[in-house]
Amino acid sequence: DAGITQSPRHKVTETGTPVTLRCHQTENHRYMYWYRQDPGHGLRLIHYSYGVKDTDKGEVSDGYSVSRSKTEDFLLTLESATSSQTSVYFCAISETQILNEKLFFGSGTQLSVL
Amino acid sequence: GEDVEQSLFLSVREGDSSVINCTYTDSSSTYLYWYKQEPGAGLQLLTYIFSNMDMKQDQRLTVLLNKKDKHLSLRIADTQTGDSAIYFCAESIRGNTDKLIFGTGTRLQVFP
Repeated sequence: DAGITQSPRHKVTETGTPVTLRCHQTENHRYMYWYRQDPGHGLRLIHYSYGVKDTDKGEVSDGYSVSRSKTEDFLLTLESATSSQTSVYFCAISETQILNEKLFFGSGTQLSVL
Repeated sequence: GEDVEQSLFLSVREGDSSVINCTYTDSSSTYLYWYKQEPGAGLQLLTYIFSNMDMKQDQRLTVLLNKKDKHLSLRIADTQTGDSAIYFCAESIRGNTDKLIFGTGTRLQVFP
């Protein structure tokens, strides 16, 4: 099983503040992803990474940036949080070396922007 | 565009079979997945089927794929209270842009 740790598990912040969410994996998986989950929308891809310093945008990338300086860590940053970014954020990895194949998810971060 | 649709709710009695349905629009899918999400947890990969298969069985789970109708189903035999969760289907698409499209989820409630 892939080991994924997301931190923090819960975060409450104010509009306009920067927020960084961290995803850490214990295996050497190439692909890492950030999704957000909202009622009525299922899961939507924010950004993904295919290697160190290699990232690409997903479906809902506006207002978010990512960084991957080490294989095991993938950071999601909200430069200036807005209330529309209140959501549950999930990090995932592909258990194979193929994009979008057999994703394994972390436990999520509940973010509230007041 | 690509879309994956599921019904919102399903309620079944313990011991009965559950059938969760999913329809998709893109015919260039490679894999189709079923994920389970329990309260407060991430999505857990339950099973998957390659697009050139019609059926896959894995213990209590049976996946049926009808490519002509673009319809995917998940049957859970002998449904237990521990099966209560939200079930997501997802379609992996290969093409000019590779995508993984999730449905909005079906909440399965199992009552005694």
